[in-house]
Amino acid sequence: EPEVTQTPSHQVTQMGQEVILRCVPISNHLYFYWYRQILGQKVEFLVSFYNNEISEKSEIFDDQFSVERPDGSNFTLKIRSTKLEDSAMYFCASSARLAGDEQYFGPGTRLTVT
Amino acid sequence: AQSVTQLDSQVPVFEEAPVELRCNYSSSVSVYLFWYVQYPNQGLQLLLKYLSGSTLVKGINGFEAEFNKSQTSFHLRKPSVHISDTAEYFCAVSRYSGYALNFGKGTSLLVTP
Repeated sequence: EPEVTQTPSHQVTQMGQEVILRCVPISNHLYFYWYRQILGQKVEFLVSFYNNEISEKSEIFDDQFSVERPDGSNFTLKIRSTKLEDSAMYFCASSARLAGDEQYFGPGTRLTVT
Repeated sequence: AQSVTQLDSQVPVFEEAPVELRCNYSSSVSVYLFWYVQYPNQGLQLLLKYLSGSTLVKGINGFEAEFNKSQTSFHLRKPSVHISDTAEYFCAVSRYSGYALNFGKGTSLLVTP
């Protein structure tokens, strides 16, 4: 069964450093998403991406964040200058086509900012 | 904006007992509703979804949920739980025209023998 994969599973970085989280969505999916979950809190939407453009973003997704699909398979989330409060589990997801279609989630990357 | 409230943070239940996990939502527009499950150290997996039509929705692993528009609820039920159902359960909502999922805080279901 196809699945969304994410690398690395855990990343530790120092405050102020740039990090890139990587995701490989399901191959025939067209919509890609990033969510995050701070420990003990709910899963929060960050951004959705379609046709090489951001289609929707939350207020969390400020200028420190960017997304890219650098090739036909990877989808990345970059945080330019990490803060302590960026420590969270980051989930990538993808879906096939329409609003309401199932979003398939990856296992997540745990980001720890020290 | 849409929001989701999961009323119970933890639900302990004995094996083979029935369970209901509660979810209420608020929205000024029509929405889609979802239940996702997260097993330890894994990503979120869709259990079921309500888009339109019949208000009783059946999902995987014997779960079902009922959409109640007047009470703005989408409670998840299972008539007989197994140890393997122990997991975190998330209710989520999205706008018709948008794609972001807005999640509740989650309910931790603990099934014991």
